[in-house]
Order: sequence, then structure tokens, then C-alpha cells
Amino acid sequence: GAGVSQSPSNKVTEKGKDVELRCDPISGHTALYWYRQSLGQGLEFLIYFQGNSAPDKSGLPSDRFSAERTGGSVSTLTIQRTQQEDSAVYLCASGLNRDNGYTFGSGTRLTVV
Amino acid sequence: QKEVEQDPGPLSVPEGAIVSLNCTYSNSAFQYFMWYRQYSRKGPELLMYTYSSGNKEDGRFTAQVDKSSKYISLFIRDSQPSDSATYLCAMSASGAGSYQLTFGKGTKLSVIP
Repeated sequence: GAGVSQSPSNKVTEKGKDVELRCDPISGHTALYWYRQSLGQGLEFLIYFQGNSAPDKSGLPSDRFSAERTGGSVSTLTIQRTQQEDSAVYLCASGLNRDNGYTFGSGTRLTVV
Repeated sequence: QKEVEQDPGPLSVPEGAIVSLNCTYSNSAFQYFMWYRQYSRKGPELLMYTYSSGNKEDGRFTAQVDKSSKYISLFIRDSQPSDSATYLCAMSASGAGSYQLTFGKGTKLSVIP
């Protein structure tokens, strides 16, 4: 595709429910990142996928968070038993390598009520 | 002390003014420095990318890196209302595994016609 596509663009969920966020990276991009952007907090690294290598999950804030990337393309970020502090914009980015920078999607705005 | 410090603003300037945005950082391992522009409800867009110290110019934008002072700047000449956005600095270290970007919190810029 022309850019990084994320869905849904907005999600409102009740506390305690599970949510799945989807990212379609740019075709051919082997690197895929998830970041979280909270109001006044800047962007926080969550997880990184590179090709067929094991992902770097060091940024996931708790074991309620998980992510997978199927076939080296589409990625899904899952948050189980959502809490109000999970409310944020979840951004996905993909890239060929660091020297070319990363292209971000428009994000999923998650609101936990 | 946070790894990357950035004045959140807001910064308001008249059209045509020269804008100076900056970040300071504490991690001397940072080698890659980037500036992203983020419009409301959109993902960050890579503006400038610099490796190590020095200047880089692209049209109305100039990025400067002073590693000795751990200080980076973005200058915008002849600012336009379309430059109104939040500007995020980001940086990463070199070497294998150093692909995470550490972001500043962003400076919100308004260019008044």
C-alpha cells in the first residue's frame, strides 16, 4: 500500500475488555514498530519486529500486552483486560532500515471507559 | 533527568518568522538524530535525519547537532501557517539492537497568518 494503515482509527472499550489493534505496514518493509503516545508523555516504544527474528518485546508495559506479526506483514497488538491507563494513541511504524527512517501510520486512538 | 528534554511550548510566531526548536539529551551513545512533524490526529512524519554532529539543510529546514553539548536544533525559515504542528525530536544509538527511537515530548508550533 501507499502508507502504513492502522485500524480501527478510534476504539472505545469498557474497562476489563480485550482489544485488538491492527497494522498493515508498507509492502516490503521488514521492520515494524509499535509505539504508544499518551497525552503529555511523548512516544513510548512498545515492541519491534525485524524479518523472521524474534521480536524485541522489552517495551511492553505489562503481560496484558502482546503482539504478533503474521507472515512478516500484518501485525496485531492485543491488550487484555484493558485499564483506564491504557487509553492512548497506539502508533505503528514500518521501515526498510534505520538510515531511511520509519513511516508511521495515523494511529488508533484507544479510550477505556 | 529524562533522556531527551524538549520544551513543550506552545510556541506562537507570525508568518515569515524564523523558528528555532531544540532538544537536549543525556545519553552520549546517541548517534542518529531525527525531527518529526505531527499534525493533529496524524502520525509523525519524518522531516530531517542527521547522523552524528553537523548541519543538514533541506529547503526551509535546517537541522543542527552539537554532540559536545548534547543539543540539537531545527530551524524553520520563512515559516508558513502550514508549518503549524507539533515537532518531535527523536534519537537512537548506533550498533546492533540500537533501533529504538527515544522521543522528546514535542513542541507545539502555531504560525499566525
